Amino acid sequence: DVKVTQSSRYLVKRTGEKVFLECVQDMDHENMFWYRQDPGLGLRLIYFSYDVKMKEKGDIPEGYSVSREKKERFSLILESASTNQTSMYLCASLRRAGNTGELFFGEGSRLTVL
Amino acid sequence: DQQVKQNSPSLSVQEGRISILNCDYTNSMFDYFLWYKKYPAEGPTFLISISSIKDKNEDGRFTVFLNKSAKHLSLHIVPSQPGDSAVYFCAASSSGSGTYKYIFGTGTRLKVLA
Repeated sequence: DVKVTQSSRYLVKRTGEKVFLECVQDMDHENMFWYRQDPGLGLRLIYFSYDVKMKEKGDIPEGYSVSREKKERFSLILESASTNQTSMYLCASLRRAGNTGELFFGEGSRLTVL
Repeated sequence: DQQVKQNSPSLSVQEGRISILNCDYTNSMFDYFLWYKKYPAEGPTFLISISSIKDKNEDGRFTVFLNKSAKHLSLHIVPSQPGDSAVYFCAASSSGSGTYKYIFGTGTRLKVLA
């Protein structure tokens, strides 16, 4: 079965710190995604990537950047963490089926910014 | 602008009865819909999907109904079990966009009472 692994389950960082969230998938999927989940707001798309070195902004990209140097790895970067980036971050990869597909999620990384 | 809405933040149902979770969307280009289930401290897991060429899809205890004219879909769980207690998210995408961008709703917390 598809496995999506997020390197850190829980992180506590200080305002202004640089934060790296790593995600690795083992199924050679081309499409990968970063979402954040907040109470009452559901899952909101931050960035996605459809190939190595390719990236697209999602609905809330401000304050974030991403890196996709290898197909299996998609990293989310917070250049200067702020308290409003305290959230649950979810990485997903897509098993495509024609023009649709199924997202497989990692277990999430809960980030607290103090 | 919330393109996918789940207007009921929570729902309580007795074990053995039917659970009905609702989802509305505004973008008429959406033609592929999925339901995900999420337990606390875990990533969402895929439940069931439906394409706009169908109005119903069934998988065991789970059935999704799609009403395209009303831009409404619903997930029926029959019979409900205590293990179904979780947050349920609906998601939508436009297969013609080529981006595989999935928009999620805000979620409905289902509690199945024993």
